[in-house]
Amino acid sequence: NAGVTQTPKFQVLKTGQSMTLQCAQDMNHEYMSWYRQDPGMGLRLIHYSVGAGITDQGEVPNGYNVSRSTTEDFPLRLLSAAPSQTSVYFCASSYGTVGNTIYFGEGSWLTVV
Amino acid sequence: DAKTTQPPSMDCAEGRAANLPCNHSTISGNEYVYWYRQIHSQGPQYIIHGLKNNETNEMASLIITEDRKSSTLILPHATLRDTAVYYCIVRVESAGGTSYGKLTFGQGTILTVHP
Repeated sequence: NAGVTQTPKFQVLKTGQSMTLQCAQDMNHEYMSWYRQDPGMGLRLIHYSVGAGITDQGEVPNGYNVSRSTTEDFPLRLLSAAPSQTSVYFCASSYGTVGNTIYFGEGSWLTVV
Repeated sequence: DAKTTQPPSMDCAEGRAANLPCNHSTISGNEYVYWYRQIHSQGPQYIIHGLKNNETNEMASLIITEDRKSSTLILPHATLRDTAVYYCIVRVESAGGTSYGKLTFGQGTILTVHP
């Protein structure tokens, strides 16, 4: 998975805590996005960004915030963690959308207890 | 979203070609077909994508039918490390909204390569 770095790889949170999942890419990609993957399910889009300063909601945005102050970084914030947010989170990026390759990070495993 | 249909599982002998089919009968004219795979719970790995013409890269070949309603991913010489879940995806190319640029992952095909 070239150039998309996620941290942390593993995290355990208590209900109500907040935290930020970091995502960085060094490919000068305009489009970045966050997905979550729950057991036995496909990836669902949380938020996406088409460039610095521009973000929008995906399918399952509730409980998450994002910002895009630079082209390289696209952090995902959990405002008040809930057990339902226990999941694997993937960050992805691509140069554009039409016909472009999307690259994924290795994932961040989050458990909320 | 254009829906894709894949067989839930397939087997392949090591060294043989693996041919993974996908139906996408509702695909629109400007929508691309993408193939990704996921090994255990690692990040999805890009394999190949195409619009109309057949495509080949160092990993695989993609054969798209003339009517674009189906495609086949070909791994020419499967190895044990190719055991994974393979996803055929039609990417939404809408102008915006909650689905912009989204890759819709279905259940995929579990490919098992055996010795």
